[in-house]
Amino acid sequence: AQKITQTQPGMFVQEKEAVTLDCTYDTSDPSYGLFWYKQPSSGEMIFLIYQGSYDQQNATEGRYSLNFQKARKSANLVISASQLGDSAMYFCAMREGGDSSYKLIFGSGTRLLVRP
Amino acid sequence: DTAVSQTPKYLVTQMGNDKSIKCEQNLGHDTMYWYKQDSKKFLKIMFSYNNKELIINETVPNRFSPKSPDKAHLNLHINSLELGDSAVYFCASSHPRGYNEQFFGPGTRLTVL
Repeated sequence: AQKITQTQPGMFVQEKEAVTLDCTYDTSDPSYGLFWYKQPSSGEMIFLIYQGSYDQQNATEGRYSLNFQKARKSANLVISASQLGDSAMYFCAMREGGDSSYKLIFGSGTRLLVRP
Repeated sequence: DTAVSQTPKYLVTQMGNDKSIKCEQNLGHDTMYWYKQDSKKFLKIMFSYNNKELIINETVPNRFSPKSPDKAHLNLHINSLELGDSAVYFCASSHPRGYNEQFFGPGTRLTVL
């Protein structure tokens, strides 16, 4: 079974609007971490936001917030007030296990295009 | 100052050749990784080293051999290159503790002809 599922291969959003990128995960480990990375057309991987499985509150980082619904095993990324520079591939990733776990498992990505 | 650097950025070579990709991080991290991103943008871990010790080897063919001379460097050597090895290879590093945010290098685009 897929550990990380991103069901939206591509998304469009109008500039200045909010957009939600979906991510669901599958793990039986009570301790895990969820990450979102951005990959612009230039190719680098940029860390955006992190949510720990024991965190009580949803993570926020500037215009990025993570809608963490533990019971549904979803960790959707919300980008508010979209900008043209937000056009990129977005990857959801999971680290299973505690702090000493090292492996990130990535989803297949969502390509976001922001329209002017 | 670049946090995680890789050389070369582009590598074009013939099938059967041997090539190396170098990675260095100046973040003081103990853990380093190699990932492969295929043509469909799927990103998968290959190896992880913690303090120069191999801790993850994701059933990568033994033509791929990582080498960590010290904890700031993790190089990837590939023998007998095949067409299917064409991909973007990313190096990354992280602290071993905390939530392990991984910092990625700029990637090396390998093309095997």
